[in-house]
Order: sequence, then structure tokens, then C-alpha cells
Amino acid sequence: AQKVTQAQTEISVVEKEDVTLDCVYETRDTTYYLFWYKQPPSGELVFLIRRNSFDEQNEISGRYSWNFQKSTSSFNFTITASQVVDSAVYFCALSEAGVNFNKFYFGSGTKLNVKP
Amino acid sequence: GAVVSQHPSRVICKSGTSVKIECRSLDFQATTMFWYRQFPKQSLMLMATSNEGSKATYEQGVEKDKFLINHASLTLSTLTVTSAHPEDSSFYICSADPGLSQYFGPGTRLTVL
Repeated sequence: AQKVTQAQTEISVVEKEDVTLDCVYETRDTTYYLFWYKQPPSGELVFLIRRNSFDEQNEISGRYSWNFQKSTSSFNFTITASQVVDSAVYFCALSEAGVNFNKFYFGSGTKLNVKP
Repeated sequence: GAVVSQHPSRVICKSGTSVKIECRSLDFQATTMFWYRQFPKQSLMLMATSNEGSKATYEQGVEKDKFLINHASLTLSTLTVTSAHPEDSSFYICSADPGLSQYFGPGTRLTVL
């Protein structure tokens, strides 16, 4: 079964628009970690955020913000006032506690196109 | 900060040849490293867990005889794609954890002609 679902395959916005990337996860563990990564055309994964399952506080980092809701198993990512440089593929990922701690399960990714 | 490197960044080879990809943790020791594969416009899929000093653990559906993994030291894991075929063309990424979080290498793009 898919552990991480990113239903939005591709999103196109115009610069300065806000955009939210959805992520829904599935796990039976009570302790787990959620991540967002950015993958520009070069291919290298850029770490954006890590959140553990016990910390439901929303987080803001500059134009980026994350909304973690355990009740709906979602960990959505919002970019405010998007810029062309935000264009990339964004991946949501899950790692579970225990022996599988470092095994990442990635969503299928959302390609964000920000047009000038 | 922690860095994971990969070599080569790109490789083009003929069908039937073997290709070795290196993954190094540059400023930390990693008893465990992970290998992922990403087909064009698709997600990253975990292939195997590389364990220092012991056999790698492969995910279901990954041929261990085709993708040989050797983790000979605490800073180096190698992935060898044996008898490569065009369908093996992909982006291969490794990762390691220095104890804080998972760090990913820059990836190796393999093209098999």
C-alpha cells in the first residue's frame, strides 16, 4: 500500500501566487517522521523540513510553511508569494520508527511550475 | 554540515557492461547507507539497505545479483549494476544518516545504450 500520497502531479501558478502542495501519509506506527524535499532539475534533493509525529505545531520558514494534521494524516506545504526559482519537483516522505527508521518512503512528487 | 558524495555524477555505458557507483560519507561514519532509484518523472524507490561489514538488504522486487552492493568501510558503499541494459537507465541516489537526519547524495545518472 502507498504510504505517502501526493495527489497533485503538477501545479502551475503565476509568480507571487500562493500555492499549497498536499501530502497524505499512512502508517501504523505512533512514532514517525515526515519530510519535504525539493528536487530541482539538477536532481539533487534539497532538504526542506523534518517533523516528528509528536510535534503538531505548524512551522513557518520565510515563505515556506507546513501544516501537520495527525487527524487527517496530512502534512501540507505552502509556498507564499511564489517565485520562479521555486519551480521544481517537491517530494513528501515518511520514515517510521524502529529498525526501519532510516528507510524513506517517498510520495510520487508534485511538479511545481511558477511562471513569471 | 554532513555531506554525502557520489561518483560518478553521470555515466553512459554500453548494454552488457557493468557499472560501479560510489557513495561516500565525507565527514561522518555511516554503518548503514541506502540506495534509491528514480526513473524519469517518477518518485524515488528504495532499492536496498547497505550494511557495513555484512550483506545488503534488498527491497522486494530488486534483483540482488544484478545490483551488487558492497559496504566495505564506514564511509563507502558501492552499487554495481551488472550486465546493464537500457531498462536500468535511471537516476541512482544514495543516502546516509550521521545521526541527525538522512542526507542524500547528489545522484548518479546512468544511461545504458
